[in-house]
Amino acid sequence: SQQGEEDPQALSIQEGENATMNCSYKTSINNLQWYRQNSGRGLVHLILIRSNEREKHSGRLRVTLDTSKKSSSLLITASRAADTASYFCATVPAGTASKLTFGTGTRLQVTL
Amino acid sequence: DTAVSQTPKYLVTQMGNDKSIKCEQNLGHDTMYWYKQDSKKFLKIMFSYNNKELIINETVPNRFSPKSPDKAHLNLHINSLELGDSAVYFCASSLGPLSYEQYFGPGTRLTVT
Repeated sequence: SQQGEEDPQALSIQEGENATMNCSYKTSINNLQWYRQNSGRGLVHLILIRSNEREKHSGRLRVTLDTSKKSSSLLITASRAADTASYFCATVPAGTASKLTFGTGTRLQVTL
Repeated sequence: DTAVSQTPKYLVTQMGNDKSIKCEQNLGHDTMYWYKQDSKKFLKIMFSYNNKELIINETVPNRFSPKSPDKAHLNLHINSLELGDSAVYFCASSLGPLSYEQYFGPGTRLTVT
């Protein structure tokens, strides 16, 4: 069964607002990654957070990880229309190689 | 300049046919992957090769056979195509097999009629 469940499934906000997406997973992990997929395109890696890290920043992105709750969140600040895409969390289970297990994705729509 | 490329981008074929999808990466990565994304956007790993050796082989029908002639190429051959094989297939690569971020190709949309 899939490792990650994302919430919400879809999110619609206006440009300039912040967007928060959540991911829950089931087993111990080595790391958790977030990817973006624009419509009809491949996935683009955004950020990787290791199991011993709690928070990570990259530009307008902020990722948190709570291993006790087996959850992560992705915050996009000051959203832009170009941020419109699907966002997936993916986990690498502890003790495995790069076997990414993807969540169900959150579809983000940013309107002008 | 393309990092991970796949051909063809679209593939329409009839049930029972055999088809191949090719993937190449110019990133110098050691590890390559094939994923299948279904109509609900659920992405699942199928295979992974590290330096031409198979390291991940999920429960995929044996009609699917990956081949890695060298570490920059990973092709996917599918025999006796079925309607349920219709999906988008993504190739990806990473620096190595140990928990690195992955770089994805643009995908091949396979439609079986």
